[in-house]
Amino acid sequence: NAGVTQTPKFQVLKTGQSMTLQCAQDMNHEYMSWYRQDPGMGLRLIHYSVGAGITDQGEVPNGYNVSRSTTEDFPLRLLSAAPSQTSVYFCASSRTRWMTQYFGPGTRLLVL
Amino acid sequence: AQTVTQSQPEMSVQEAETVTLSCTYDTSESNYYLFWYKQPPSRQMILVIRQEAYKQQNATENRFSVNFQKAAKSFSLKISDSQLGDTAMYFCAVIIQGAQKLVFGQGTRLTINP
Repeated sequence: NAGVTQTPKFQVLKTGQSMTLQCAQDMNHEYMSWYRQDPGMGLRLIHYSVGAGITDQGEVPNGYNVSRSTTEDFPLRLLSAAPSQTSVYFCASSRTRWMTQYFGPGTRLLVL
Repeated sequence: AQTVTQSQPEMSVQEAETVTLSCTYDTSESNYYLFWYKQPPSRQMILVIRQEAYKQQNATENRFSVNFQKAAKSFSLKISDSQLGDTAMYFCAVIIQGAQKLVFGQGTRLTINP
C-alpha cells in the first residue's frame, strides 16, 4: 500500500514549456485534489475531483488543467509554464471530501 | 468564504515543554471539520489530529490535543512533552460540510530546542 505517490520529485522548466505532474493513489479514494504551496501562504487548492470523470476548479486554477479517467490517477497539466508557477505542488486524496486528506510527498517545480 | 488565521508565524520552546499553537477561523456554517497538519523539513504533510465540529469533546492523539471553542471559532493545538521530532511547520485547516475545499492557515513554524 503506497498511499499517494507523485512524480517527479523535482523539475526545472523554461517559460512556455508544458509538462504533466503525475499523481496516483491506491486507497480507492473518491476525492483527489491538487494544491500549490508558496512561502507564507499555506496551501491553495488548484483543482479537485470527486470521482472518475468529474473535476472542478479550486481557488487558483488558471494555467492548469486536470482530468480523471480512473479512480487511481489525477494528473495536473501545466499548459505553458510561467515563473509565477514556481512552487511546491501537492496531490491529496480522501475517501470523501470531508474525510481526512492524505498527501503525496510533493513536487518542487522551478520555472525559469 | 471561510478563512483560517494562525497568528503565530514562529514559536520556539525547549524539549519536554508544553506548547500551544493558535488557530481561529471564520465561518457562518455549523457543520464542519477541523484539522492540524504537520510539515517537517521533509515537506511531507502529515495529519496530526482531526475534530468534528458537532462533537463537544476535544480530540486527543497521544501527546497532541486540541482546545476546540466553537462559539469563539478557535481551534488550538497543544503539544505536551515536546520532542525534537516535533520541529515542523504546523497548519490548521477547515472544511465546511457541503463545501468542496479544505482551507488552510498560513502556518506556524515550531522549533523544539534541545
